[in-house]
Amino acid sequence: QKEVEQNSGPLSVPEGAIASLNCTYSDRGSQSFFWYRQYSGKSPELIMFIYSNGDKEDGRFTAQLNKASQYVSLLIRDSQPSDSATYLCAVQIPGAQKLVFGQGTRLTINP
Amino acid sequence: GAVVSQHPSWVICKSGTSVKIECRSLDFQATTMFWYRQFPKQSLMLMATSNEGSKATYEQGVEKDKFLINHASLTLSTLTVTSAHPEDSSFYICSAREWTVNQNIQYFGAGTRLSVL
Repeated sequence: QKEVEQNSGPLSVPEGAIASLNCTYSDRGSQSFFWYRQYSGKSPELIMFIYSNGDKEDGRFTAQLNKASQYVSLLIRDSQPSDSATYLCAVQIPGAQKLVFGQGTRLTINP
Repeated sequence: GAVVSQHPSWVICKSGTSVKIECRSLDFQATTMFWYRQFPKQSLMLMATSNEGSKATYEQGVEKDKFLINHASLTLSTLTVTSAHPEDSSFYICSAREWTVNQNIQYFGAGTRLSVL
């Protein structure tokens, strides 16, 4: 089992709809969770981070964390074509300096 | 968010030469920096973790004598690709970790695209 798993997609969502991106992790002791966005040919850009169970909202983005289910998600409301990118889920596992990344989900917003 | 500067953004070199890539944290001190490599349409691959004032920790399969990392100050880490060959052509990305109260966040540089002829 991979430490961090994401559906690689591609995920296609119509413009204006809600895009839902999911991520599961294997280490129950993980404390910190991050979502990065990576446009083609560019480096990753931090979108959100979440540490506590529940929802965290920032503009059109909402991160959701459920530690009991070892599940973290990212919702993008009112999706725009500019949201088309690969979204990377990253987890800080206990005792490690590094982040463990999922393989990324490619999201396409269709006008 | 914090800013990480990476230079150069593009480099083309001849096979057998060495290339140095710099990664700087501009508005925070980074005791830990990370170096990644990414091939087209593939995932990020962590190469090494760089700690200020100590030797880097390399991931399994990464040649430490080929990819030299120096983290000489709290704001600068460098990656030198020694005796580069065409198979080293890739997108190299650094990140720096910012510690604040109860937060531990990695910010990425813009990346360096290396082409070895």
